[in-house]
Amino acid sequence: AQTVTQSQPEMSVQEAETVTLSCTYDTSESDYYLFWYKQPPSRQMILVIRQEAYKQQNATENRFSVNFQKAAKSFSLKISDSQLGDAAMYFCAYRAQYGNKLVFGAGTILRVKS
Amino acid sequence: ETGVTQSPTHLIKTRGQQVTLRCSSQSGHNTVSWYQQALGQGPQFIFQYYREEENGRGNFPPRFSGLQFPNYSSELNVNALELDDSALYLCASSFELTGWETEAFFGQGTRLTVV
Repeated sequence: AQTVTQSQPEMSVQEAETVTLSCTYDTSESDYYLFWYKQPPSRQMILVIRQEAYKQQNATENRFSVNFQKAAKSFSLKISDSQLGDAAMYFCAYRAQYGNKLVFGAGTILRVKS
Repeated sequence: ETGVTQSPTHLIKTRGQQVTLRCSSQSGHNTVSWYQQALGQGPQFIFQYYREEENGRGNFPPRFSGLQFPNYSSELNVNALELDDSALYLCASSFELTGWETEAFFGQGTRLTVV
């Protein structure tokens, strides 16, 4: 069974600075998708960024980028120029290429200090 | 806003009762998945519905059941509620075509408290 591990229960960053959230996963599949979701206090899970495992190039979405290391099964999220609105719970998630479910990590609470 | 709406937003039930949670999927989506998120944890997959049929199930007992309607909206039913069923229940909709699936878009969840 696939598992996703987020080893940082909580992280803090100063406004305008950069922070990296860590995620590792375990799978025997070769093709899959990885995601970072943001869950603010409003509870709605919002997709931040997506990475296809067959793509060697790391995904980027504005201030958000990932470092995808397939051999190491590592998928970290870098947030640049952190803003107060980035404060939330962040979840790393895995889905097999032909799978029907997302497997989530336990989450990392990100606090942004002004 | 994702276009996925859930009702009600909050609910309090007594142990042993039954509950029905509702989800209206995003326009154009044909697949609905349900997740249970206990406090301080990541969501856990309950099951998925595709074209009105169950299309995969997580490690949840049969007292968790669901339905998907022709308009692709969905219900999650939980019978014989237990205190451990207290959680945030998330619905996610997506579009699937012969094994290819778009990203899942989530609703705001239903907070269920069992007392």
